[in-house]
Amino acid sequence: DAKTTQPNSMESNEEEPVHLPCNHSTISGTDYIHWYRQLPSQGPEYVIHGLTSNVNNRMASLAIAEDRKSSTLILHRATLRDAAVYYCIPRGTGNQFYFGTGTSLTVIP
Amino acid sequence: EPEVTQTPSHQVTQMGQEVILRCVPISNHLYFYWYRQILGQKVEFLVSFYNNEISEKSEIFDDQFSVERPDGSNFTLKIRSTKLEDSAMYFCASMESTGLYNEQFFGPGTRLTVL
Repeated sequence: DAKTTQPNSMESNEEEPVHLPCNHSTISGTDYIHWYRQLPSQGPEYVIHGLTSNVNNRMASLAIAEDRKSSTLILHRATLRDAAVYYCIPRGTGNQFYFGTGTSLTVIP
Repeated sequence: EPEVTQTPSHQVTQMGQEVILRCVPISNHLYFYWYRQILGQKVEFLVSFYNNEISEKSEIFDDQFSVERPDGSNFTLKIRSTKLEDSAMYFCASMESTGLYNEQFFGPGTRLTVL
């Protein structure tokens, strides 16, 4: 499975956009890029996924680099509820999801 | 909205005792998982289960662990003889199918404390 590199932590002011980067340079051509987040004291929850094109849903946007070696999760207006650990997970063959250490996002009121 | 549920939310046990953690996956899902998260550490995969058998397991999932789907709704994780180092949050997850685009739905977790 592809290795990922994410910043350990990031901060954002409330109501401002947040760009959470992830490097996954060893990703294979068929791996989907998933993003999950873990709110304090909760289980992980799905945020978004994509393969090649940029993706939008009600929670976030996902921008995937043309060479697919990196991606960026975009929260358009951070709220206090978005404070969580965000995980970038390339999904290849096999059933399991590999969670790295993720990026701990702090939202400042 | 359908969700994965887990019971109990918190289990305290003595070292050497057996514990069973219970999960009810989303009803039309076919793939089931257990993960654990030791306090302050990463979420770690333990085991995946499909068609009434284990499909993958990690090195953590040794002979002390077993999983079962005793009926059409429950999915259980048994630890036969708990150790102090088994203290962790245990998350159950389910997935409709194993397409690479499918998402896993996680339960709220069971906090296991081994004394």
